[in-house]
Amino acid sequence: SQQGEEDPQALSIQEGENATMNCSYKTSINNLQWYRQNSGRGLVHLILIRSNEREKHSGRLRVTLDTSKKSSSLLITASRAADTASYFCATDAGGGNKLTFGTGTQLKVEL
Amino acid sequence: EPEVTQTPSHQVTQMGQEVILRCVPISNHLYFYWYRQILGQKVEFLVSFYNNEISEKSEIFDDQFSVERPDGSNFTLKIRSTKLEDSAMYFCASEAGGLAQYFGPGTRLTVL
Repeated sequence: SQQGEEDPQALSIQEGENATMNCSYKTSINNLQWYRQNSGRGLVHLILIRSNEREKHSGRLRVTLDTSKKSSSLLITASRAADTASYFCATDAGGGNKLTFGTGTQLKVEL
Repeated sequence: EPEVTQTPSHQVTQMGQEVILRCVPISNHLYFYWYRQILGQKVEFLVSFYNNEISEKSEIFDDQFSVERPDGSNFTLKIRSTKLEDSAMYFCASEAGGLAQYFGPGTRLTVL
């Protein structure tokens, strides 16, 4: 798989349910960031987790990082229709801080 | 809350023409980036800029591309002679040094 592959590619849930998205990567990283993108719009930064951290919370978001498995997960609890968007992980492998983005998970939260 | 802004939101140009995409990063940020996203594809890194010089660039960022920080607030991406395959959404991002990159809303470039 390529650096930053999310799964599932698409996820459809009911409002109030939790949504879990996963990201796998191939190289060692300094940090991993999650972004949200509404259709045709810009990227909104959600959360950053450093390579020495295992879990981080921000509001309804919970991110985990397992560097031994080179994977991360994003959990959105009590989802809302407004959470409908594409979610991307992006890794910073060092050397200039450039981010390498994954393919994204399209989340649809239905009323 | 401070945010990255970009202008124009949409640019239509003829193949071979020059375009300049403009960005105003968050004011106390030190690192600046350009990324692009071709429709339906991943966001791709183009170039990073720090201390008034390019710190890293991708293979995409060839001689047709250039970046500049002409004053204390603007950060521009110039494409000298646009090609059809340059059609994409171009995102500017800035970072304070705390590692989180904040993105602008993007400029949709359409090359005809």
